[in-house]
Amino acid sequence: AQSVTQPDIHITVSEGASLELRCNYSYGATPYLFWYVQSPGQGLQLLLKYFSGDTLVQGIKGFEAEFKRSQSSFNLRKPSVHWSDAAEYFCAVTILTGGGNKLTFGTGTQLKVEL
Amino acid sequence: GAGVSQSPSNKVTEKGKDVELRCDPISGHTALYWYRQSLGQGLEFLIYFQGNSAPDKSGLPSDRFSAERTGGSVSTLTIQRTQQEDSAVYLCASSLDQVDTQYFGPGTRLTVL
Repeated sequence: AQSVTQPDIHITVSEGASLELRCNYSYGATPYLFWYVQSPGQGLQLLLKYFSGDTLVQGIKGFEAEFKRSQSSFNLRKPSVHWSDAAEYFCAVTILTGGGNKLTFGTGTQLKVEL
Repeated sequence: GAGVSQSPSNKVTEKGKDVELRCDPISGHTALYWYRQSLGQGLEFLIYFQGNSAPDKSGLPSDRFSAERTGGSVSTLTIQRTQQEDSAVYLCASSLDQVDTQYFGPGTRLTVL
């Protein structure tokens, strides 16, 4: 079964510092990969997605992620974090089947931004 | 345009009671998904609808859980004889078709006392 690992439960960074959130997946084929963000009391907002093609994908709010097949990773990065980026971040994977593309989520990384 | 909406936003119920949770997807979206977010289990898939059919119900945790979708639009998730372990945030998502990006609603927080 496919699985997603986010090894960091909590991360604290200073405002203006760079950020990298790790995500590793386990699946035989290349899955479709996503990063979502969830602010307190809110639903999930899509930051970016990778389906195919260029392995470096750009998303909203200045985020980017790089797909590395050899490492089964899809890490999320941002060069300079803003206080408003404090939230919980989820990596997710899916494969397309005849039965839709249900998402399998990682356990999430809670990001705290120090001013 | 309007996003995915869910109602109620919060629901408190007593153990053993039945509850209904509603999801209004984005207009024109044929695919609809239910997920559950709980402290112990994280985010889990429950059920997928394509139109009014549910080709994938593999995530429903027990036969106390059921869902339907009517008119290719609104969906209702029903939990019968609620248990304390059903306490969670229930999220609904819709997508234009089964391969498109899923857009999530704000969720319904269910508390079973």
